[in-house]
Amino acid sequence: EPEVTQTPSHQVTQMGQEVILRCVPISNHLYFYWYRQILGQKVEFLVSFYNNEISEKSEIFDDQFSVERPDGSNFTLKIRSTKLEDSAMYFCASSSRQTQYFGPGTRLLVL
Amino acid sequence: EDQVTQSPEALRLQEGESSSLNCSYTVSGLRGLFWYRQDPGKGPEFLFTLYSAGEEKEKERLKATLTKKESFLHITAPKPEDSATYLCAVAPYNTDKLIFGTGTRLQVFP
Repeated sequence: EPEVTQTPSHQVTQMGQEVILRCVPISNHLYFYWYRQILGQKVEFLVSFYNNEISEKSEIFDDQFSVERPDGSNFTLKIRSTKLEDSAMYFCASSSRQTQYFGPGTRLLVL
Repeated sequence: EDQVTQSPEALRLQEGESSSLNCSYTVSGLRGLFWYRQDPGKGPEFLFTLYSAGEEKEKERLKATLTKKESFLHITAPKPEDSATYLCAVAPYNTDKLIFGTGTRLQVFP
């Protein structure tokens, strides 16, 4: 059964450093998403991406964040200058229509 | 404001003891309601999509129902392997995002 994959599974970084989180969506899906979940809190929407451009973004997704689909299979989330409060699980999701399928997540820890 | 409230926050059941989880929602227009299962340290795993009031979906020991204001996830004769956090999410019209509740943490004891 096709699934969304994410790398790395864990990432530890120093405050102010750039990180890139990678995702391989399900192959025939056209819509891609990033969500995050701070420990003990709700899953929160960050951004959606369709047809090689951002279709929607939340207040959280400020200028420090960017997304890219560099080739036909990968979808990336870049955080340009990490802050302590960026520590969270980051989930990639993809969909062909209504239902979003989530990856296993990347646990980001900013020290 | 669109929002999702799940109850109870936590539920402890004996194996075989059936129960229901509640998801109440307020949304300007509902495109769909989704149930996911989340194991510790893992991503949400899709269970069901419901689109309109009166709709029901079933999978093994789980059954999801939908009204105009809430959804229930019924668990019949649960087993220890059903222990997880169950997340409810709504997709409003005119937006791509899912809005999640805080989840119900279910523990099933043998």
